Amino acid sequence: DAGITQSPRHKVTETGTPVTLRCHQTENHRYMYWYRQDPGHGLRLIHYSYGVKDTDKGEVSDGYSVSRSKTEDFLLTLESATSSQTSVYFCATQANSYEQYFGPGTRLTVT
Amino acid sequence: GIQVEQSPPDLILQEGANSTLRCNFSDSVNNLQWFHQNPWGQLINLFYIPSGTKQNGRLSATTVATERYSLLYISSSQTTDSGVYFCAVEQGAQKLVFGQGTRLTINP
Repeated sequence: DAGITQSPRHKVTETGTPVTLRCHQTENHRYMYWYRQDPGHGLRLIHYSYGVKDTDKGEVSDGYSVSRSKTEDFLLTLESATSSQTSVYFCATQANSYEQYFGPGTRLTVT
Repeated sequence: GIQVEQSPPDLILQEGANSTLRCNFSDSVNNLQWFHQNPWGQLINLFYIPSGTKQNGRLSATTVATERYSLLYISSSQTTDSGVYFCAVEQGAQKLVFGQGTRLTINP
């Protein structure tokens, strides 16, 4: 599997505070993704990137922004966290052979 | 958008049993993948299989693209096979849409 790390792995924050999650990959994959996983909803795409500085929205992008200044790093920012953004967040990359590989996830709790 | 339905939602088996998981999708696809989420939450890519059949050890998968379904077979189940199995198909522009998953429990 691709070398994908996510930080932090766990975070508790208060409503209204900004939060940034980091995804780092060592495989030089072009495509990177942020998903959220919630009970009853499976995995849903938030944003994705198809290259440095090239990003686009996914299914549930409201309240989130992303940035990709380097191939290896993809940041997800919650500008003002809300309780509805309590979730497990997964980063993924896509290999040239089309398989997607996932990071270990970040459990975010917004109180 | 494309719809992805997986069945059954839950499956409980004894160790050593065989199982078949199904994924139906509502439109033609050129990218279909199967994933396993283990009880610790890690998601592992099992197969990239837009059509045809692939095998990897005790696991195999078949996609019949013209009939819009894919099957994942697990033979001689082990307790380590427990977890949730997801099917995902491409909606366009390299974006995957995931099904709700099949929760598999293998009892010793």
